[in-house]
Amino acid sequence: EAQVTQNPRYLITVTGKKLTVTCSQNMNHEYMSWYRQDPGLGLRQIYYSMNVEVTDKGDVPEGYKVSRKEKRNFPLILESPSPNQTSLYFCASSLGTGWDEQFFGPGTRLTVL
Amino acid sequence: AQTVTQSQPEMSVQEAETVTLSCTYDTSESDYYLFWYKQPPSRQMILVIRQEAYKQQNATENRFSVNFQKAAKSFSLKISDSQLGDAAMYFCAYRSGLGGNQFYFGTGTSLTVIP
Repeated sequence: EAQVTQNPRYLITVTGKKLTVTCSQNMNHEYMSWYRQDPGLGLRQIYYSMNVEVTDKGDVPEGYKVSRKEKRNFPLILESPSPNQTSLYFCASSLGTGWDEQFFGPGTRLTVL
Repeated sequence: AQTVTQSQPEMSVQEAETVTLSCTYDTSESDYYLFWYKQPPSRQMILVIRQEAYKQQNATENRFSVNFQKAAKSFSLKISDSQLGDAAMYFCAYRSGLGGNQFYFGTGTSLTVIP
């Protein structure tokens, strides 16, 4: 089944404890992206990647890192999480850009205490 | 950066009736793509419909259609014969045609369907 998977689905952590949210797609998509969703703000793009070893900042990259060492994986790293990073995070992928449909993962609910 | 505005935080519609969700955007580009996504309580993001800016004809997908007004920078979503399963948060999104790397989403409209 074609899908985007994220792990973990739920995570409660404490300020300053490094964490990684994994994202993987099995559709051989070139483009992958991370978003955060907050009430009243919609979805905001954190980082995106056009291909292996190519990543770029979205609108809200501060406090996040990403890497794209393999085509299928695009982990999101929070080196020192803070409470303002408490949010719902989505990973998405698409074959390319422009018209191509983005397929979203199920989301990761992160709480930073 | 582009901006996408959804001015209706909440809407409601009677089952079987028609409802229109509004979306406006700000851009200086001539080539771009517009999308409507649905997010039901399961939180899964689902593509509803999409439109290429250079196409004059409005996109339709079964009960879903758009009214794309390029000059007015407006991209409204019409849902006909509303069903209980249409209840969800709806997000309008913009993607540039130049590279098309970044997505910009609106703040969403929560749609309630009344039986």
